[in-house]
Amino acid sequence: DVKVTQSSRYLVKRTGEKVFLECVQDMDHENMFWYRQDPGLGLRLIYFSYDVKMKEKGDIPEGYSVSREKKERFSLILESASTNQTSMYLCASSNRDRLVKSNQPQHFGDGTRLSIL
Amino acid sequence: AQSVTQLGSHVSVSEGALVLLRCNYSSSVPPYLFWYVQYPNQGLQLLLKYTTGATLVKGINGFEAEFKKSETSFHLTKPSAHMSDAAEYFCAVRGSQGNLIFGKGTKLSVKP
Repeated sequence: DVKVTQSSRYLVKRTGEKVFLECVQDMDHENMFWYRQDPGLGLRLIYFSYDVKMKEKGDIPEGYSVSREKKERFSLILESASTNQTSMYLCASSNRDRLVKSNQPQHFGDGTRLSIL
Repeated sequence: AQSVTQLGSHVSVSEGALVLLRCNYSSSVPPYLFWYVQYPNQGLQLLLKYTTGATLVKGINGFEAEFKKSETSFHLTKPSAHMSDAAEYFCAVRGSQGNLIFGKGTKLSVKP
């Protein structure tokens, strides 16, 4: 089975801090994704990556950046944390499926619940 | 552009009753559709997916969904609800860049 591991289940940080959320997958997937989940809003895509050192903005990239130095690891960075970034963050990975015709599902980690005080 | 609408943010059924969770999609290309389930304090788990071929798709835990192109729908059903089905369910359509576009989710409660 695919395993997507997020480094922390719960994290509490202060406003203005630089925050790193780490995600590792063990299935040699090319694609990795970061979403945030908020009540009543569902999941919204922050950033994604098709390959090492590649990144693409999702729907809500403001205030975030990402890093993918190795294929298995995709990091989400909050450059200067703010209270409106308090949320559940979910990482996902999938096989290469840049073509719309592909049907590869995404596999999710258990999430990191981040609180910014 | 693709989008997903889930009708009903909360659905409550009795144990043993039919479960029906509604999902309508919008897509300019033939859609690839997914249902995911999220149990409390966990990530999302794939229930089932539709790509091409048979329009009735069977998934895990007794769930199934039917793709109806004329109605742009992909509703999720289960004949008989169990207490363990209580969770949040998300419908999703694949976006043009290989990402997933999610609905806002439906919380299913199962009453004894």
